[in-house]
Amino acid sequence: DTAVSQTPKYLVTQMGNDKSIKCEQNLGHDTMYWYKQDSKKFLKIMFSYNNKELIINETVPNRFSPKSPDKAHLNLHINSLELGDSAVYFCASRDRGTDTQYFGPGTRLTVL
Amino acid sequence: ELKVEQNPLFLSMQEGKNYTIYCNYSTTSDRLYWYRQDPGKSLESLFVLLSNGAVKQEGRLMASLDTKARLSTLHITAAVHDLSATYFCAGPFGNEKLTFGTGTRLTIIP
Repeated sequence: DTAVSQTPKYLVTQMGNDKSIKCEQNLGHDTMYWYKQDSKKFLKIMFSYNNKELIINETVPNRFSPKSPDKAHLNLHINSLELGDSAVYFCASRDRGTDTQYFGPGTRLTVL
Repeated sequence: ELKVEQNPLFLSMQEGKNYTIYCNYSTTSDRLYWYRQDPGKSLESLFVLLSNGAVKQEGRLMASLDTKARLSTLHITAAVHDLSATYFCAGPFGNEKLTFGTGTRLTIIP
């Protein structure tokens, strides 16, 4: 009964490849997010969707494209992967009632 | 430019001692959040502070918010090893997105 799940947990790939990370939440929340955590543990928001609509799009290279097929899913597709994309990517969903964000387990992306 | 600064960045403390982590932010916010992250794990919500003067306690942790001073604190009482983790403060700072602090890596030494 995982609340926010991500797949895969680990992703190792070569520069230039295209990859996707999937996120699903079963909490019934309307708002979902993607965050990037770098090697120094610094967390930064990338995107936010509310009811399948993009509401936050930070200064992220357009190689990154989020897609929300429904409000329970928010996927992240990355084209032409670069070394600097290596990080842990966290998906989260927000309970507006308690104003709490629930984070997924993270996807550790390593670009070689 | 919005800044959310935590100090200290690293904290090593002995079991049984008390200490405080500070979160200073550079722009107005009426709410503040604290999260915990264990090594290699996800983030866990600890506290949601929704107004000036808010104080919340859970076990050995107590968080407070002073919106006028743009300061939140996370106080640890009689630390135990299980509290070793990285603690982040975060705030919406006027918009929908969360901006996270730099994190404080806490190590409790027996």
